[in-house]
Amino acid sequence: KQEVTQIPAALSVPEGENLVLNCSFTDSAIYNLQWFRQDPGKGLTSLLLIQSSQREQTSGRLNASLDKSSGRSTLYIAASQPGDSATYLCAVIEKTSYDKVIFGPGTSLSVIP
Amino acid sequence: DAGVTQSPTHLIKTRGQQVTLRCSPKSGHDTVSWYQQALGQGPQFIFQYYEEEERQRGNFPDRFSGHQFPNYSSELNVNALLLGDSALYLCASSLGQGVQPQHFGDGTRLSIL
Repeated sequence: KQEVTQIPAALSVPEGENLVLNCSFTDSAIYNLQWFRQDPGKGLTSLLLIQSSQREQTSGRLNASLDKSSGRSTLYIAASQPGDSATYLCAVIEKTSYDKVIFGPGTSLSVIP
Repeated sequence: DAGVTQSPTHLIKTRGQQVTLRCSPKSGHDTVSWYQQALGQGPQFIFQYYEEEERQRGNFPDRFSGHQFPNYSSELNVNALLLGDSALYLCASSLGQGVQPQHFGDGTRLSIL
C-alpha cells in the first residue's frame, strides 16, 4: 500500500531564506509526483508536476526534484517571502491504480517578515 | 476560463442527516474526482467519475455515493452523517483517462453537529 510522508510537519523561517521541503513515498512504481499549495480553508493549487521519467521541474523560485529509486522528492523554495506562507502537499499517482492521487499530510510553512 | 467550482461553500448538518455536494469541472474537463480532507491532514481519495460512471473508489463506506451528469458536473452524496464526516470536501477535474494533472476547487466545508 502506497504511503506518502512529509517532513517537517511545520516550518518557520525568516523572510529571504532558502528552504527545502521533503516528501517520501513507499512504492516507487508511480506515474508522477505533484506538489500543491493550500492556503487556509482553500482548495489546492498545483505548483509543479514531475513525470516519473523526469528528475526535476522548475517554476520561478520553486524547484522540485524526484528520485524514484529512493522514493523521495524535495521542493526547494528560493528567497522565501511572507506570501509563501501556506501548507505544501506532495502527492503521487501510482501505476497500480492510476488516476487515484495519494497525498502526504503536508508541511505548514510560515515565513516571518 | 472558469475553474472548478463547488457549492455550497459551507454546510452545517446534524448526525443522521443526508447531504449533497456539487461540483462543476473546469471547462473542457470530463473527469471528476472527490476527496475528503480532515483538519490537519492531506486529502483522502473518495472516488472518481468518468463518462458518468464510477471508475475508481477509495476506502470509503457505501454511505458515500456520487453521480456524474452528461455535462460532466458531479454530485457527492453522504447518507447517515456521522460526526467524523466533518471535513473539507474537495472536487478535482481533469481531462480524459490517464495521468493528467488535476485542478481543484476551493471545497465545501461540512460541519456535523
